[in-house]
Amino acid sequence: NAGVTQTPKFQVLKTGQSMTLQCAQDMNHEYMSWYRQDPGMGLRLIHYSVGAGITDQGEVPNGYNVSRSTTEDFPLRLLSAAPSQTSVYFCASSWGQSGETQYFGPGTRLLVL
Amino acid sequence: GENVEQHPSTLSVQEGDSAVIKCTYSDSASNYFPWYKQELGKRPQLIIDIRSNVGEKKDQRIAVTLNKTAKHFSLHITETQPEDSAVYFCAAISSGSARQLTFGSGTQLTVLP
Repeated sequence: NAGVTQTPKFQVLKTGQSMTLQCAQDMNHEYMSWYRQDPGMGLRLIHYSVGAGITDQGEVPNGYNVSRSTTEDFPLRLLSAAPSQTSVYFCASSWGQSGETQYFGPGTRLLVL
Repeated sequence: GENVEQHPSTLSVQEGDSAVIKCTYSDSASNYFPWYKQELGKRPQLIIDIRSNVGEKKDQRIAVTLNKTAKHFSLHITETQPEDSAVYFCAAISSGSARQLTFGSGTQLTVLP
């Protein structure tokens, strides 16, 4: 199993551009989530999903959209990139719908100029 | 929502000594408390977790204790080794329908040889 995979590993955007961060898992996990990690602030939840067709907002959802059309994929869309969205983005997944025992992907480092 | 505070933000210990990291949480309904280790440039990895019906859990050199009354939990690492150097994050998840993992701000542990 590849586990949780994320693409791209690194991306540079200009202010106002849009893009999609990809996340996929091959463990048949129902629960998937997106976090951003900023220095000194730990990991903050952006959006999460407890199954295909079900998504919900986390702590910092503004400026981001998600969808969950399949169990395997959970893409994160930046609608109009801003410098404040410069961060490292991690996708995670876990079995069941409890959100416990989350396995993280390798992360995407995003720089918005 | 849940709020998790973590102390200290940095911790240096001599190789072979013990290290203790403490976290407090605000939501008395929280029932799951994981600890993650993140090495530089890598993804967070789950190292140990505890549920609210257990007061202590051990796994080789690491242990976690939980005090539900005081709403705090701690990570204990004994016989520290240089490879224990990393950032450690505590987290808490509530028992409500919104299963969101809230992280502490992290502790940079440095084990000095």
